[in-house]
Amino acid sequence: AQSVTQLGSHVSVSEGALVLLRCNYSSSVPPYLFWYVQYPNQGLQLLLKYTTGATLVKGINGFEAEFKKSETSFHLTKPSAHMSDAAEYFCAVSGGTGGFKTIFGAGTRLFVKA
Amino acid sequence: DAGVTQSPTHLIKTRGQQVTLRCSPKSGHDTVSWYQQALGQGPQFIFQYYEEEERQRGNFPDRFSGHQFPNYSSELNVNALLLGDSALYLCASSLGDRDGAEAFFGQGTRLTVV
Repeated sequence: AQSVTQLGSHVSVSEGALVLLRCNYSSSVPPYLFWYVQYPNQGLQLLLKYTTGATLVKGINGFEAEFKKSETSFHLTKPSAHMSDAAEYFCAVSGGTGGFKTIFGAGTRLFVKA
Repeated sequence: DAGVTQSPTHLIKTRGQQVTLRCSPKSGHDTVSWYQQALGQGPQFIFQYYEEEERQRGNFPDRFSGHQFPNYSSELNVNALLLGDSALYLCASSLGDRDGAEAFFGQGTRLTVV
């Protein structure tokens, strides 16, 4: 069965510092991978997705993620954190043996210190 | 484009009651998925509707049922409510014929069972 593990339920960075949110997935076949962001009392917004092709994926708001099949990872990065990046981030997987459903990780809360 | 809209935004019900949540998909989308997000957790897949049929279901009891109408809008029904059903219920729409299609989420319905 497919699964997603996000390492670290909480991550704290200073404004201007590198953001690194870790995600590992389990899937018997290459899946589709996503990162979503959720602000308080709101739904989820797609940051970026990997389907096929280039393994380095660029998303909105300066975020990017790299698909590493050998490590079964899809870590999210941003070179310089901004206060407005403070939110909950979810890594997700779909396709492959999971069919149509999207499986989400437990989420990582990002705190940005001034 | 109004995006995905859900109603109501908040709801308080008593144990044992029944509830119906509603979702209108993004214009042009034909697939609706429902998720349950408990406090501090990632969204959990309930089921997906495509062409008015339940296409895939997650690990939720039969108390959770749904429907999709010809205009692609959808309802989620939960019978015999339990305290543990308290959660944010998210609706997501997408194009059902595309692998790895991006899902657009609504703001959610916050259900509290007392």
